[in-house]
Amino acid sequence: DIQMTQSPSSVSASVGDRVTITCRASQDISSWLAWYQQKPGGAPKLLIYAASSLQRGVPSRFSGSGSGTDFTLSISSLQPEDFATYFCQQADTSPWTFGQGTKVEI
Amino acid sequence: QVQLVQSGAEVKKPGASVKVSCKASGDTFTGDYIHWVRQAPGQGLEWMGWIHPKSGGTKPVQKFQGRVTMTRDTSITTVYMELSRLTSDDTAVYFCANFDSHIYAFDLWGQGTLVTVSS
Repeated sequence: DIQMTQSPSSVSASVGDRVTITCRASQDISSWLAWYQQKPGGAPKLLIYAASSLQRGVPSRFSGSGSGTDFTLSISSLQPEDFATYFCQQADTSPWTFGQGTKVEI
Repeated sequence: QVQLVQSGAEVKKPGASVKVSCKASGDTFTGDYIHWVRQAPGQGLEWMGWIHPKSGGTKPVQKFQGRVTMTRDTSITTVYMELSRLTSDDTAVYFCANFDSHIYAFDLWGQGTLVTVSS
């Protein structure tokens, strides 16, 4: 199975900060990577697909980049509603696997 | 907007089975595949497998083979995930999610169903 490793596991930030989260795959997954946001008690929400494509309705302050094994999710100017946990997920090879999550805290 | 609506929370004893349902609010699934993902308390996301509602074809993850059954009703508006021989390690929130084959991502999720396994 492909292992997805996120870093950091948590980050403390303030409103207006730029936040970057990284995700590393244990083998080449091309651009088959998605990012999700999850708030406490809620379901994940798709933010980014195909490594860098913004899902409809997601604010443009979210962006993704990378290919192969190394990927990043950036939030350009953190807003109060962005405090949540973020997961990466590969869809290159079954079984689909997720990173362990990065909690963005105040 | 189409939503995936799941059944309510369940409490089960070890060794029992649980069946969770997932219904498309618009009476039709938008995608070809519905997947199941679970999340143990305070943990990450674990993919369990998929069902193709139109054909009934399934692909459970090897870890769950022999213990998970994915089915759909004859109207193809509801899918089910049944997990048997429950242990405390199966305590988790179970999500159904639509997989969009064009973007290769889960674009729509159910609200989740908490399954608690306790004696």
